[in-house]
Amino acid sequence: GENVEQHPSTLSVQEGDSAVIKCTYSDSASNYFPWYKQELGKRPQLIIDIRSNVGEKKDQRIAVTLNKTAKHFSLHITETQPEDSAVYFCAASKDNYGQNFVFGPGTRLSVLP
Amino acid sequence: DAGVIQSPRHEVTEMGQEVTLRCKPISGHNSLFWYRQTMMRGLELLIYFNNNVPIDDSGMPEDRFSAKMPNASFSTLKIQPSEPRDSAVYFCASSHLWGQGAGETQYFGPGTRLLVL
Repeated sequence: GENVEQHPSTLSVQEGDSAVIKCTYSDSASNYFPWYKQELGKRPQLIIDIRSNVGEKKDQRIAVTLNKTAKHFSLHITETQPEDSAVYFCAASKDNYGQNFVFGPGTRLSVLP
Repeated sequence: DAGVIQSPRHEVTEMGQEVTLRCKPISGHNSLFWYRQTMMRGLELLIYFNNNVPIDDSGMPEDRFSAKMPNASFSTLKIQPSEPRDSAVYFCASSHLWGQGAGETQYFGPGTRLLVL
């Protein structure tokens, strides 16, 4: 089955700096890669996603890149702000009858003012 | 739309008691997912339904756990009997799957925080 690894497990950056979180996956058939943000005590919420037919996607300060050959994808946050502090989860899934997301273990991002 | 609705939001029970968690997916969504989140194991998919039919329950930890989806707007996750190691946050999520297409955005409910004493 699919296995998703995520690094680093914790990340601290100064406000205004960039943050990068990396994930690797094992199943080459996976073709949908969402990123979720979970604030303390809240539900996970989708912040950006990418499909395997695209190498990069950007939404304001957030971007995701995908390298299918190497089976890894990354989340990039620029000009970080204190409200970006949260746990970020990557996930992978593939075409099938259903949407079995396999989540990474999460990265706790702290943006220091 | 109110989003995914879960109840109760918090549940404290004693070991051996039956626990029932409830979920109402977003109207029009045809896929529903139950997750469990703990510090040790992260986010784990327990079971998911498509058009009210259970598709994959391989994540259900043991026979004490059962889930049903009697109609498109309601699902339950039951634990009987409950044990302290079941303490976790249980999330329900829903999405709309188009045919056998690639994954679609899953929208999570607020979760049920379960504590089994």
